[in-house]
Amino acid sequence: DGGITQSPKYLFRKEGQNVTLSCEQNLNHDAMYWYRQDPGQGLRLIYYSQIVNDFQKGDIAEGYSVSREKKESFPLTVTSAQKNPTAFYLCASSKGTGGQPQHFGDGTRLSIL
Amino acid sequence: GENVGLHLPTLSVQEGDNSIINCAYSNSASDYFIWYKQESGKGPQFIIDIRSNMDKRQGQRVTVLLNKTVKHLSLQIAATQPGDSAVYFCAENGGRNTDKLIFGTGTRLQVFP
Repeated sequence: DGGITQSPKYLFRKEGQNVTLSCEQNLNHDAMYWYRQDPGQGLRLIYYSQIVNDFQKGDIAEGYSVSREKKESFPLTVTSAQKNPTAFYLCASSKGTGGQPQHFGDGTRLSIL
Repeated sequence: GENVGLHLPTLSVQEGDNSIINCAYSNSASDYFIWYKQESGKGPQFIIDIRSNMDKRQGQRVTVLLNKTVKHLSLQIAATQPGDSAVYFCAENGGRNTDKLIFGTGTRLQVFP
């Protein structure tokens, strides 16, 4: 079945550590997105990519980094500069941008040890 | 499960009744709107979308209504079932040719037997 796979489902970070969240899609979608979700809030955009080897900052990019070396993959690194990383992270993809639905993975829950 | 949706507006309905979830969107230039359903511990699931050249669109047991005059979107669920219990988000694209979605904070739907 086509879809978006995020791993791991749960992740723990130590102080000063960088961690990388995986997102893979086999939908042949050009655009991919990373969101952060906190309790009682809507989804906030961290980074997005419209095409391979290109990406743009979203609304809350500080303390995060991404790469888009392959169409299928859009990993997110939460760096030690992100002082409040505990959240639910969601990856999405879409055929294009603008008037296209985004399809989501089942998220990664990141917590601080 | 994930604590998604703490302190969200909550709609409580009895099984079999119809549900109406409302959303006020922010940008009058938005021309594409989506409703998502999010169950605890999972990613948002696409329900239905609508473009600004339409006022109403129907799916299976769901109807989306768009009122551009007052920037209001609603999701109607017919014969609500326990499996419909979740957090529902609306999203808008912010205008033609934009490459992001803007998400609302969500409404929790609770279905009682």
